[in-house]
Amino acid sequence: GAVVSQHPSWVICKSGTSVKIECRSLDFQATTMFWYRQFPKQSLMLMATSNEGSKATYEQGVEKDKFLINHASLTLSTLTVTSAHPEDSSFYICSARVGEWNEQFFGPGTRLTVL
Amino acid sequence: GQNIDQPTEMTATEGAIVQINCTYQTSGFNGLFWYQQHAGEAPTFLSYNVLDGLEEKGRFSSFLSRSKGYSYLLLKELQMKDSASYLCAVKDSNYQLIWGAGTKLIIKP
Repeated sequence: GAVVSQHPSWVICKSGTSVKIECRSLDFQATTMFWYRQFPKQSLMLMATSNEGSKATYEQGVEKDKFLINHASLTLSTLTVTSAHPEDSSFYICSARVGEWNEQFFGPGTRLTVL
Repeated sequence: GQNIDQPTEMTATEGAIVQINCTYQTSGFNGLFWYQQHAGEAPTFLSYNVLDGLEEKGRFSSFLSRSKGYSYLLLKELQMKDSASYLCAVKDSNYQLIWGAGTKLIIKP
């Protein structure tokens, strides 16, 4: 199956700093990637849809200036959490859409802790 | 609005069978997915249904009734490693995935 990687797998940062998370499709090209956030014991929440070569589409309530998404190539999308605060601490997961069913394959996730 | 309902938590015994139900009300329907998510990990794909009926894949089966807005995931011969959350997701008319809150399955010896 399709493999999606994320880096880093976990990060701890100070409040006010920025953190960049990378999402890569390892053995396929992904024109569309998705970024999700998941708080403890809650379901996945779609943050934005990342399209290669164009601006990301953000879900309602997600600040595009705070969560910067760049999808510059067919195998890489990045999410930058700018001026992170403790309430941004969460599990961030990316996925790539592939196949005839447009099923999504997920990266392993990045656990962000903001102190 | 769009809504997907799943039980919050279920408990079953190792070696037994468990059925996890999912009902949905969405704007359009373009398929239903089941994912498994172990604690602290990303979801992994289990099954996809777009037509009515039962799809069997090893110990796991998934059923869909579009007229009833209903699906279930059936897990047979339960193993301890099946302890996880099971997420139901529906692709709506815009091909967006709408996620259920997930069902936490606890397997007891």
